[in-house]
Amino acid sequence: EDQVTQSPEALRLQEGESSSLNCSYTVSGLRGLFWYRQDPGKGPEFLFTLYSAGEEKEKERLKATLTKKESFLHITAPKPEDSATYLCAVQEETSGSRLTFGEGTQLTVNP
Amino acid sequence: NAGVMQNPRHLVRRRGQEARLRCSPMKGHSHVYWYRQLPEEGLKFMVYLQKENIIDESGMPKERFSAEFPKEGPSILRIQQVVRGDSAAYFCASSPLRQRNTEAFFGQGTRLTVV
Repeated sequence: EDQVTQSPEALRLQEGESSSLNCSYTVSGLRGLFWYRQDPGKGPEFLFTLYSAGEEKEKERLKATLTKKESFLHITAPKPEDSATYLCAVQEETSGSRLTFGEGTQLTVNP
Repeated sequence: NAGVMQNPRHLVRRRGQEARLRCSPMKGHSHVYWYRQLPEEGLKFMVYLQKENIIDESGMPKERFSAEFPKEGPSILRIQQVVRGDSAAYFCASSPLRQRNTEAFFGQGTRLTVV
């Protein structure tokens, strides 16, 4: 069974203090790893898809990387508006299009 | 993700009543997914549908829950005889293709409260 574990559960940063969020996964065959951002009371907002180990993608202050066992979401010089819950999800080769989500990391960036 | 429309945004039902949640996918998307987010838990897959077809319902509870995506109109997630444990946020997502990489775009969710 696919498993996705995110750490830490919660993270508090000062504005400008860079850090990383971790997503460890166990799947029999990875089709894709997805990062989403979710604000309170809203639906998940797509950020990145990664397909193979060694791949990296960037968007503004966010950079996602992928290895065979885990993915990192690096946040460089975060701002208060980056505060949200960040969700990681995997899509397994034989499970069709469904996503298996981790429980998320709740990020708070203080001004 | 504003393109995926879910309604109602909030729904209150008494125990034993029926709940109907609607989802209109983004324009051009023919694949719909339903996920449930229980309080303090992650998103859990429920069902994957194409027009007039259920492709994967492996995450659907065996009883009281059903889903459809008719040829015309929105996808419907139906919960019969609701119980307090059904209280959750229900999210719909859509994508244009079945295969591979396509990211799914989520709606804002329907928050169901059973009293």
